Amino acid sequence: EAGVAQSPRYKIIEKRQSVAFWCNPISGHATLYWYQQILGQGPKLLIQFQNNGVVDDSQLPKDRFSAERLKGVDSTLKIQPAKLEDSAVYLCASSLGLAAATDTQYFGPGTRLTVL
Amino acid sequence: GESVGLHLPTLSVQEGDNSIINCAYSNSASDYFIWYKQESGKGPQFIIDIRSNMDKRQGQRVTVLLNKTVKHLSLQIAATQPGDSAVYFCAENSYGNNRLAFGKGNQVVVIP
Repeated sequence: EAGVAQSPRYKIIEKRQSVAFWCNPISGHATLYWYQQILGQGPKLLIQFQNNGVVDDSQLPKDRFSAERLKGVDSTLKIQPAKLEDSAVYLCASSLGLAAATDTQYFGPGTRLTVL
Repeated sequence: GESVGLHLPTLSVQEGDNSIINCAYSNSASDYFIWYKQESGKGPQFIIDIRSNMDKRQGQRVTVLLNKTVKHLSLQIAATQPGDSAVYFCAENSYGNNRLAFGKGNQVVVIP
């Protein structure tokens, strides 16, 4: 079974530029998550989709971050404009069912973003 | 030993010995806990989980212990191997809250 795919793996941009990340979840997985992982910390949930609807985006900085999951499959996360503190690894995860509390989340390799 | 700042608490263990990684959680309403392993350059990988109605659960070479009285979770790895070198995170989930909250990681370094 193919895992969660993410691209690009690395991205370097200057502050105030825009950037987009792409995620392809495991086939058939209804729930998709985007996490931000700052160096030395655990992942922090940014947004959770169930199919193509947003379930939780309470920790997403909506003034600069946006995400969509068209057709309930692939997802993109965008940052516009980027700040220095956005430097982190952005992880995408997916789970099979709709009950995130006990469904195993499978993570992709992440995109390492460096903002200069 | 434990370090400050960006440095993670590090456990150095001899290959073949047992490892114990600890995690304290703060939310007494949390009812589901998971341990993840994260190798360098990779995303977190599920290891084992436990519900709050249990105090122990065993997997292959791993055991998770839950002490709800003191809100403490531990992961025991038997016969630690070089492939176990990674950062280990505990995560908790409260009933009715679909958000996983990850704790601070613990670095495990296996000495051959």
